[in-house]
Amino acid sequence: DAKTTQPNSMESNEEEPVHLPCNHSTISGTDYIHWYRQLPSQGPEYVIHGLTSNVNNRMASLAIAEDRKSSTLILHRATLRDAAVYYCILNTGTASKLTFGTGTRLQVTL
Amino acid sequence: DTGVSQNPRHKITKRGQNVTFRCDPISEHNRLYWYRQTLGQGPEFLTYFQNEAQLEKSRLLSDRFSAERPKGSFSTLEIQRTEQGDSAMYLCASSPSGLAPYEQYFGPGTRLTVT
Repeated sequence: DAKTTQPNSMESNEEEPVHLPCNHSTISGTDYIHWYRQLPSQGPEYVIHGLTSNVNNRMASLAIAEDRKSSTLILHRATLRDAAVYYCILNTGTASKLTFGTGTRLQVTL
Repeated sequence: DTGVSQNPRHKITKRGQNVTFRCDPISEHNRLYWYRQTLGQGPEFLTYFQNEAQLEKSRLLSDRFSAERPKGSFSTLEIQRTEQGDSAMYLCASSPSGLAPYEQYFGPGTRLTVT
């Protein structure tokens, strides 16, 4: 599986945008970029995924570099409820397992 | 849709005992996954089923671990002769299958403590 690299932790103020980076320089042409997050004492939760084009949904936006070697998860207005560990994962379209790294722990303060 | 459920939520057992966990996936999902998560780490894949067939097992799944999904609905994960190193959160997830990269829906997990 291609590997992803994320910062261990980031901080944000509430109601400000947050940009969570992910590097995946060995990404293959069939790899989708997935983001999951895990709130304290809960199982992981799907956030968003994309292949080549930028994607938006009600939770977040995903900006994918033109060479696909990096991506950024954008939370437009962070709230205290967004404090979680965010995982960037590469996964082919029909692959089974998700390979999690250690993710980025996002702290949101008032 | 009540989501993925797991029982029990917490289990404390003595070393050497056997334990069994249950996962009930979202009803229309034919894929079911088991992961294990230790403190400070991301979840690690253990195994997955498509309907009742177990299609992939991680090397993490030692001979003491066995998973079943007899009717393609709920699944059980059994750990025999538990060891302290088995202490972890055991997570279950489900998804549809097909060509699209479907997201996996996770349950709340079963936290196992082996004393």
